Amino acid sequence: AQSVTQPDIHITVSEGASLELRCNYSYGATPYLFWYVQSPGQGLQLLLKYFSGDTLVQGIKGFEAEFKRSQSSFNLRKPSVHWSDAAEYFCAVVSSNTGKLIFGQGTTLQVKP
Amino acid sequence: DGGITQSPKYLFRKEGQNVTLSCEQNLNHDAMYWYRQDPGQGLRLIYYSQIVNDFQKGDIAEGYSVSREKKESFPLTVTSAQKNPTAFYLCASGANVANPEAFFGQGTRLTVV
Repeated sequence: AQSVTQPDIHITVSEGASLELRCNYSYGATPYLFWYVQSPGQGLQLLLKYFSGDTLVQGIKGFEAEFKRSQSSFNLRKPSVHWSDAAEYFCAVVSSNTGKLIFGQGTTLQVKP
Repeated sequence: DGGITQSPKYLFRKEGQNVTLSCEQNLNHDAMYWYRQDPGQGLRLIYYSQIVNDFQKGDIAEGYSVSREKKESFPLTVTSAQKNPTAFYLCASGANVANPEAFFGQGTRLTVV
């Protein structure tokens, strides 16, 4: 069955430090993969997506993610974190057959000044 | 202005009453989704629909019902059979299976007392 795992529930980094949020998926075929960000009490905003092609994808707000088929991973990275990046981040996968879109449990990012 | 509208933002109901959450989109999207969000549990899929007059159960459909009579609308009814209905509910839409990027509404916080 399709699933998404975000191993880190909570991460704290210092402002200006680099960031990597982990995401592992379970899906038989090549998945469509997404990273979303959510501010408290709000909806979700798409950061970036991977459908096919280049395995390193660039998104908004300086984020990037790399698809690694051999590791079933789609980790999100940012070279230098800003205080405004503090939020909850969700990895998601959609089945290309059924259109079923499922999410990981989320990672809460805290940024220290 | 194109987007997804969820209403109301806050909703209070007495235990034992059914309640319907509204979700409307003017993006001409085929697919629509309902998620429930609880702290520490990420987004869990309740129901999804890929086309008008058709919908599928997600991972936690018990105690919920939906309809998709119009492309623009995908209302969710939380029935009295749902044992723990207090939660944040998010609606999303996506163009189609070939282009599944999902766009989210701002959510409805339901409190049952």
